[in-house]
Amino acid sequence: AQSVSQHNHHVILSEAASLELGCNYSYGGTVNLFWYVQYPGQHLQLLLKYFSGDPLVKGIKGFEAEFIKSKFSFNLRKPSVQWSDTAEYFCAVIPYNTDKLIFGTGTRLQVFP
Amino acid sequence: DAMVIQNPRYQVTQFGKPVTLSCSQTLNHNVMYWYQQKSSQAPKLLFHYYDKDFNNEADTPDNFQSRRPNTSFCFLDIRSPGLGDAAMYLCATSRAVDNSYEQYFGPGTRLTVT
Repeated sequence: AQSVSQHNHHVILSEAASLELGCNYSYGGTVNLFWYVQYPGQHLQLLLKYFSGDPLVKGIKGFEAEFIKSKFSFNLRKPSVQWSDTAEYFCAVIPYNTDKLIFGTGTRLQVFP
Repeated sequence: DAMVIQNPRYQVTQFGKPVTLSCSQTLNHNVMYWYQQKSSQAPKLLFHYYDKDFNNEADTPDNFQSRRPNTSFCFLDIRSPGLGDAAMYLCATSRAVDNSYEQYFGPGTRLTVT
């Protein structure tokens, strides 16, 4: 079955530290890839997405992600986190030509001042 | 602005008392989804409509039903809410663009069951 794995369930960082959240998916065909963020008490917001083209994708708030097809990965990065980045981060995949979004289990990020 | 709207944002119902959550969209998307999200978990797809075609997930309880009277509106009916149905319910929409379905989420309705 198709699945998305986020190996970091809970990450704790100090402000200005660098961030990398892992995301791997199990699907052999073409996929569309997404990272969503959910701030405490708020709804899901799209951080960035990859459909095709340059595998390094830049999103909002200084986030970026790199699609590595050979590793079935789409890791999220930010060079310097802020306290306001404290949130839950979800990686998600839509296999090409399907209409179902498959979510990872999420990573809770806590950033301390 | 085109968007996905969910009403109400907060809903309190009693154990066993039917409740309906609503979702509307101004995006003119042909696909609409309902998700259940419990605390610190990923959203779980309950069902979705592709145009008028209803697609139920295999593990969605019969207690959950849905209606889509037209393109813009979709309703989630919980016939007999239990304490375990307390959650955030998310509506999302999408349409095919070059065979890619990006989903747009509403703000959610937080359901409390007393």
